[in-house]
Amino acid sequence: NAGVTQTPKFRVLKTGQSMTLLCAQDMNHEYMYWYRQDPGMGLRLIHYSVGEGTTAKGEVPDGYNVSRLKKQNFLLGLESAAPSQTSVYFCASGLAGSLTIQYFGAGTRLSVL
Amino acid sequence: GQQLNQSPQSMFIQEGEDVSMNCTSSSIFNTWLWYKQDPGEGPVLLIALYKAGELTSNGRLTAQFGTTRKDSFLNISASIPSDVGIYFCAGQPRDDKIIFGKGTRLHILP
Repeated sequence: NAGVTQTPKFRVLKTGQSMTLLCAQDMNHEYMYWYRQDPGMGLRLIHYSVGEGTTAKGEVPDGYNVSRLKKQNFLLGLESAAPSQTSVYFCASGLAGSLTIQYFGAGTRLSVL
Repeated sequence: GQQLNQSPQSMFIQEGEDVSMNCTSSSIFNTWLWYKQDPGEGPVLLIALYKAGELTSNGRLTAQFGTTRKDSFLNISASIPSDVGIYFCAGQPRDDKIIFGKGTRLHILP
C-alpha cells in the first residue's frame, strides 16, 4: 500500500548543479502536484498536472520544470540549483474533478550549498 | 495572491486540554480542508468541509465551515501526546487551486 512515493528522501547539491526529484503514485490519480515547504511559509504550489502529458504553473514556478510522461509519475527538475531552493519538497496526487483532496508523499529534503 | 490567515502560529498545552485553531480569508471559499503533518512526514487529510455551516467530526476532532464561507475552525478535544504536529488549513476559492495556511504548531506538555 505505497500511495505516493518520493525519491530521494534527502539530497545535498552545490549551487549550479541540476537534479530531478521523482514522484510516483499507485492510486491511478489523474492530478499530481509539487509543493515546497519553508519554515513559517506553509505549503506553496510549484507546478501541477491534471493528466498525463499536461502541466501547469503554480504559485512559485520559477527555477523549476516538470514533466508528466506517465500517469503515475511526476518529475520535478532543477536545472541550476540555487541556495534559495533549499527546502522540503512534497508531491501530492488526487482524483480527477477535485482540486481539493490530495494525498501527500513523505517529502524530499533538499539543501543547496 | 489570496492568503489564508491561520492562528495561532503555535500552541503549548497540557495533555488532556482542548484545542481550538482557526483560519480566515478575505474571500469566499467553496471548500475547507484540515491537514495534520507529523514530524518528517507529509500532510495527512483530517477533515474536508464542503458546505457553509457544515460541522464534521473525526474522532476527537471537530471542524466547521463558517457561515460566511470565509473562515473555518478546528477543535481537538482531550489532547493526547500523538496530537503533536503541525495543523494546516486549506481552502479552495471558486474554480481554483487550493491554498494552504502557514500552519499551527501544536506542542503538548507532559
